[in-house]
Amino acid sequence: ILNVEQSPQSLHVQEGDSTNFTCSFPSSNFYALHWYRWETAKSPEALFVMTLNGDEKKKGRISATLNTKEGYSYLYIKGSQPEDSATYLCAFIKAPETSGSRLTFGEGTQLTVNP
Amino acid sequence: NAGVMQNPRHLVRRRGQEARLRCSPMKGHSHVYWYRQLPEEGLKFMVYLQKENIIDESGMPKERFSAEFPKEGPSILRIQQVVRGDSAAYFCASSPRLAGTSYNEQFFGPGTRLTVL
Repeated sequence: ILNVEQSPQSLHVQEGDSTNFTCSFPSSNFYALHWYRWETAKSPEALFVMTLNGDEKKKGRISATLNTKEGYSYLYIKGSQPEDSATYLCAFIKAPETSGSRLTFGEGTQLTVNP
Repeated sequence: NAGVMQNPRHLVRRRGQEARLRCSPMKGHSHVYWYRQLPEEGLKFMVYLQKENIIDESGMPKERFSAEFPKEGPSILRIQQVVRGDSAAYFCASSPRLAGTSYNEQFFGPGTRLTVL
């Protein structure tokens, strides 16, 4: 059983605050890590696909880092805006044997940005 | 390019009936995944299909559940003799086939919310 854990479970911040949250995953047999943003009543939307230890990815005010040796990834949001309110999911892909690229999701971090 | 489409968006069934959930992947995508979100839980993998082939069904209950992705037409997730515990949101995702990689971004559909009375 793969354990992908995210913390915190929920987070409330004020508009303009910067914030970050954590995804931890098994460090053995790592293949890739995905970050998704999931707004209520919408579909999960891919933010980043990360594959290499030390990877840093950025999209606008959102960035992510990856440490495969110790099994964690951080997602950062700079200057949070109310429209950033969503659940942020990370998903781990184990080194594929014959199963291809199924995602094992964490429970998510629910971010609320108050105006 | 239309996104991943799922229908119906909401489905109500009585115990013992059959539920059929459809997923049309994005154009050009040949890989389809089904995930389930039970109430108060996260997304859990069910099955991974390519055209006419089930690649990994290790997350799917052994009984009453089946999935297919025919050469033509949408992928279908079928639940026979539904029970209350099948009430959940079922999400489909698709990805393109890129040679040499198995970590492609997956594009999710809006989900089908199944309620079993």
